[in-house]
Amino acid sequence: SQQGEEDPQALSIQEGENATMNCSYKTSINNLQWYRQNSGRGLVHLILIRSNEREKHSGRLRVTLDTSKKSSSLLITASRAADTASYFCATPQGGSEKLVFGKGTKLTVNP
Amino acid sequence: GAVVSQHPSWVICKSGTSVKIECRSLDFQATTMFWYRQFPKQSLMLMATSNEGSKATYEQGVEKDKFLINHASLTLSTLTVTSAHPEDSSFYICSASAQTGAKNIQYFGAGTRLSVL
Repeated sequence: SQQGEEDPQALSIQEGENATMNCSYKTSINNLQWYRQNSGRGLVHLILIRSNEREKHSGRLRVTLDTSKKSSSLLITASRAADTASYFCATPQGGSEKLVFGKGTKLTVNP
Repeated sequence: GAVVSQHPSWVICKSGTSVKIECRSLDFQATTMFWYRQFPKQSLMLMATSNEGSKATYEQGVEKDKFLINHASLTLSTLTVTSAHPEDSSFYICSASAQTGAKNIQYFGAGTRLSVL
């Protein structure tokens, strides 16, 4: 199974703090993606990082990828209460369009 | 960004009835759509891959006669849960794949919460 494993499973922080979530995967990939899911809703694509990239930024999001360790991290800076959600990493399955999702990190940002 | 509409968002049905869930790509053509199931506090479990004009590809352990998928056009895929039972109660989410260069990004519907009484 290529399923990613996020850690921590749950994270609770105060507004303004940074939140870091980690993801590990098992097989070679050509890209890794992070998605966000608000409670009871669908997922929203946040950012994609290619295997030849080590770091990528998008607004308050910073993603790193270490292919030698088969791991990625998502950093949300200056968190807001509206960032409260579950965050999933996802990797393509083989050469197909399928994505394999990790178990997710539930982030709670307290006002 | 690409928009995927999923309908209904919530449905309650009696045991033994069938329920149809629609997934539409609103502003792009989706040759491939995906159907997921999600249990509370768990990750997404891929049920099947739906390709326009051909039969869906089901993941291992997913009953194709139970979960009927039709992808009749480039903008619409439907999932029908046939003869639903309480154990089918779950959150079902569809997504559509949009290829941009070498990227495969999925755009998700808002999900359908199915409760079978």
